Amino acid sequence: DAGVIQSPRHEVTEMGQEVTLRCKPISGHDYLFWYRQTMMRGLELLIYFNNNVPIDDSGMPEDRFSAKMPNASFSTLKIQPSEPRDSAVYFCASSLIGLQQETQYFGPGTRLLVL
Amino acid sequence: DAKTTQPNSMESNEEEPVHLPCNHSTISGTDYIHWYRQLPSQGPEYVIHGLTSNVNNRMASLAIAEDRKSSTLILHRATLRDAAVYYCILRDRGTGNQFYFGTGTSLTVIP
Repeated sequence: DAGVIQSPRHEVTEMGQEVTLRCKPISGHDYLFWYRQTMMRGLELLIYFNNNVPIDDSGMPEDRFSAKMPNASFSTLKIQPSEPRDSAVYFCASSLIGLQQETQYFGPGTRLLVL
Repeated sequence: DAKTTQPNSMESNEEEPVHLPCNHSTISGTDYIHWYRQLPSQGPEYVIHGLTSNVNNRMASLAIAEDRKSSTLILHRATLRDAAVYYCILRDRGTGNQFYFGTGTSLTVIP
């Protein structure tokens, strides 16, 4: 398997623009997670899905952020409108099932810079 | 959520063993102890996990204290490729789907 795939790897945009980050989880994994990493706050869980259904979005910063999972092989994280403080590395991860001993597999991340 | 405490940074000489400590004094009986590491410019990757007994795999060993209030990740022979931030994470039954990453330990390997 190719692992978790994220695109784009780098994104530079201007404040106010819409940004869409994409993720393809490992085939057969039922759980998908979106994380954000900044120097100030470290790695934070934003939202996670089980079988394409959002389970917990309490980490989503505000209404400008939205995430969807239209099918088992694709998810998007959208920021509209983007702001400079959204600059961060966004990681997608997936796991087979949701048990506490389960391993999460992370993608390479999307490095977002909002000017 | 149970918290973990790790040193901010550690150094090791290449080809020597490294012991990375983690304190988790509020751990509950059902919490699994996970270790992940993050190499520069990459996503976190799984290293090892355990519940009560010590664990070994091809990457590392995990030594868990008898009272489970602390654990130690052991890299038997550090290489330059092991330079990374190492995160100790607790996962409980209630929030098993959520990882709470702390600040981790930044490991520097000296050639």
